[in-house]
Amino acid sequence: AQTVTQSQPEMSVQEAETVTLSCTYDTSENNYYLFWYKQPPSRQMILVIRQEAYKQQNATENRFSVNFQKAAKSFSLKISDSQLGDTAMYFCAFIPDGGTSYGKLTFGQGTILTVHP
Amino acid sequence: GAVVSQHPSWVICKSGTSVKIECRSLDFQATTMFWYRQFPKQSLMLMATSNEGSKATYEQGVEKDKFLINHASLTLSTLTVTSAHPEDSSFYICSASYPLAVDYNEQFFGPGTRLTVL
Repeated sequence: AQTVTQSQPEMSVQEAETVTLSCTYDTSENNYYLFWYKQPPSRQMILVIRQEAYKQQNATENRFSVNFQKAAKSFSLKISDSQLGDTAMYFCAFIPDGGTSYGKLTFGQGTILTVHP
Repeated sequence: GAVVSQHPSWVICKSGTSVKIECRSLDFQATTMFWYRQFPKQSLMLMATSNEGSKATYEQGVEKDKFLINHASLTLSTLTVTSAHPEDSSFYICSASYPLAVDYNEQFFGPGTRLTVL
């Protein structure tokens, strides 16, 4: 079974600054995918960024980037130039590429991020 | 593309009644749909996985007779909460996937349904 841990229940940042959200996971699978999802007050889940475990290069999507450390099973999200619209709950998620849990997302506990003007 | 809708967005019902929530994939055929439950400021918990034309697979601890899931077509899955009680009040989210999305194991999420049982 997989577990995903987000140790920061709440974070805050000033507009235009940079913030990093942490995530660790535990799995015995060798092939898997990692995601960061954003859930704003509307509660619609929005995919922020994805990372394939077999790729060493860290994924980047505009102001969002990850620091993927496979050996340490760490997958942090860095948000640069924070904007008020980034205020949301962020979830780290894991999905194995095979095994009995194939296709099933496991979510972390979530981190509530507040961007202050 | 890859839009998923849910209906209703908010439903209030009396204790003891049944409520049906629909999840539709609008622009793709969803071979697999997932149902999640989320309490305020908490994470999403997978309730069940449904594949078109077959019985749903429920996660441990989820009552099959209380949460009936039907995936009768490639674009529609329904969750029926039977004999609802106040403790069933929650936010229910569906997601859908299709074979080509397997490249990234990506799921597309609906906007969720807020259920309040009085």
